[in-house]
Amino acid sequence: SQQGEEDPQALSIQEGENATMNCSYKTSINNLQWYRQNSGRGLVHLILIRSNEREKHSGRLRVTLDTSKKSSSLLITASRAADTASYFCATSDNTGRRALTFGSGTRLQVQP
Amino acid sequence: EAGVAQSPRYKIIEKRQSVAFWCNPISGHATLYWYQQILGQGPKLLIQFQNNGVVDDSQLPKDRFSAERLKGVDSTLKIQPAKLEDSAVYLCASSWDGEAFFGQGTRLTVV
Repeated sequence: SQQGEEDPQALSIQEGENATMNCSYKTSINNLQWYRQNSGRGLVHLILIRSNEREKHSGRLRVTLDTSKKSSSLLITASRAADTASYFCATSDNTGRRALTFGSGTRLQVQP
Repeated sequence: EAGVAQSPRYKIIEKRQSVAFWCNPISGHATLYWYQQILGQGPKLLIQFQNNGVVDDSQLPKDRFSAERLKGVDSTLKIQPAKLEDSAVYLCASSWDGEAFFGQGTRLTVV
């Protein structure tokens, strides 16, 4: 079953604009992670935010986490054509098993 | 550092045939995952190993899917017999402290 659900399902923007993707989940988590998947390739880890953190930055990426609303957002600033990909959130529950449960993803298209 | 290796990259089989996928995780990673990703969907966890023990196989269709991780390193995932709905990309990932590293996957087409 899918734990996280990303919103929107698809997003098309112009190069240089910011892209925001949201993720909602259902159960308590240990951490939440964002991954990128280019067409035909494996998933690449972008950033991990723990349940006791509220915001994290990595380069042009900014992730926020609101555990009270069970939601997270990924902001990509100054987007580039190379950012075109599918983005997934994945949650790790707090049972200690570290199983990653993925959402259905947001397909981002950055127009040059 | 070598990444997660998977083989084969592509496989086409007829329904009711059997198929096996192989995964070599990153050295030292105790946790190994197998995911199934159907086109247009997110990855779905099939099985999770911690060293050579199974942690979670609740979504593995055990009547046709099996997996093993001998000596806590390499792993194989087998489907026998395959069905048309098994057409998907099978992803292997390994982890040490929470961040998972994925292989390129095996694209399976069942005809």
